[in-house]
Amino acid sequence: QLQLQESGPGLVKPSETLSLTCTVSDGSISSSRYYWGWIRQPPGKGLEWIGTIYYSGSTYYNPSLKSRVTISVDTSKNRFSLKLSSVTAADTAVYYCARQVGTTSDYWGQGTLVTVSS
Amino acid sequence: DIQMTQSPSSVSASVGDRVTITCRASQGISSWLAWYQQKPGKAPKVLVSAASSLQSGVPSRFSGSGSGTDFTLTISSLQPEDFATYYCQQANSFPITFGGGTKVEIK
Repeated sequence: QLQLQESGPGLVKPSETLSLTCTVSDGSISSSRYYWGWIRQPPGKGLEWIGTIYYSGSTYYNPSLKSRVTISVDTSKNRFSLKLSSVTAADTAVYYCARQVGTTSDYWGQGTLVTVSS
Repeated sequence: DIQMTQSPSSVSASVGDRVTITCRASQGISSWLAWYQQKPGKAPKVLVSAASSLQSGVPSRFSGSGSGTDFTLTISSLQPEDFATYYCQQANSFPITFGGGTKVEIK
């Protein structure tokens, strides 16, 4: 059974860079069938797609975040990562990583809460 | 970007009720629509892909329909474990966009 696990700091200071990693277990991130994405959810609010990466390194980003987002993949470690720069309190959210078939997310990590605060 | 509008934003229903949630896309997306269920403190779970294809293991009381711009998710007989928030998501193209969610509450 495929598993995804987010990891990274739970607290980030304003103006700094949020960095998260998603480690994939019991499945290969190099499969040509899948994409790998990041989605976030501010407390009490809805879902917002951040971006998606293919194992080859091709990326797709939410236009509203594009200037601040970088998603990368490390196939040797079977993981992919998110960096979001210049964070503010509005970036406080639960961050999920997910496997995507096309653009549908069929496996999700449990999510990790990242709080932006000084 | 394709905007997704869900309605209602919340619905109160009793066990055994039939519940219908609608989702409208701002432009045609053929059948490229997914539905997710999310329970408090948990990650979303995909219920339906391609507008009407039930994911493996999802109870048959759930069904999806529609194409183009108008879609529905129907729960034919609401069960206690179905009280949750439901989201639609257009799967037609990047950027991926979600509806605002529909919270199904106990009446």
